Amino acid sequence: GQNIDQPTEMTATEGAIVQINCTYQTSGFNGLFWYQQHAGEAPTFLSYNVLDGLEEKGRFSSFLSRSKGYSYLLLKELQMKDSASYLCAVVDSNYQLIWGAGTKLIIKP
Amino acid sequence: DTAVSQTPKYLVTQMGNDKSIKCEQNLGHDTMYWYKQDSKKFLKIMFSYNNKELIINETVPNRFSPKSPDKAHLNLHINSLELGDSAVYFCASSQADATASWETQYFGPGTRLLVL
Repeated sequence: GQNIDQPTEMTATEGAIVQINCTYQTSGFNGLFWYQQHAGEAPTFLSYNVLDGLEEKGRFSSFLSRSKGYSYLLLKELQMKDSASYLCAVVDSNYQLIWGAGTKLIIKP
Repeated sequence: DTAVSQTPKYLVTQMGNDKSIKCEQNLGHDTMYWYKQDSKKFLKIMFSYNNKELIINETVPNRFSPKSPDKAHLNLHINSLELGDSAVYFCASSQADATASWETQYFGPGTRLLVL
């Protein structure tokens, strides 16, 4: 079967750095998305990786290793507004989007 | 100037009733989707429509039926509601067709359905 694994919950301190990991086993691979979802709101797009390596976008960076079936989302200079769930989603060989359950990130002052 | 909108935002109803959720996108996208997010926060795709044709149907119960009057709208009809239908339903849209779903999907605000 297809599987996306992320930690259920993480806690970090304002101003610090946090890394949210995602491992996947899917039938084929055509890219990986990270979405942010605040409580009670819709998911919003953060990043898309299809090649190995690190993609940086301001305070957020996303890394992909296709050979390891692994990605991470790195958040720097954490702010209270970064408290949200972070969803990892993989595009499989049929171009279907397979979603992880998300990682709830709690930021403490 | 909302990109993807859904109505209603909240829906509380009795078991056995029939209800509809509306979705509209003003992005000019070709494909629209319906997702169900349960209490465990998994996002499960239910339907996808491209140019008014159903592309994906993830074997949801036939009590659920999508209706697309035009490219900008994809409504969700639910018959004989059950307790297990309680969830948040998200509409989304993307530029490409559903066989190329790596295109970024833009989500509506969600409809919180509670079946009593």
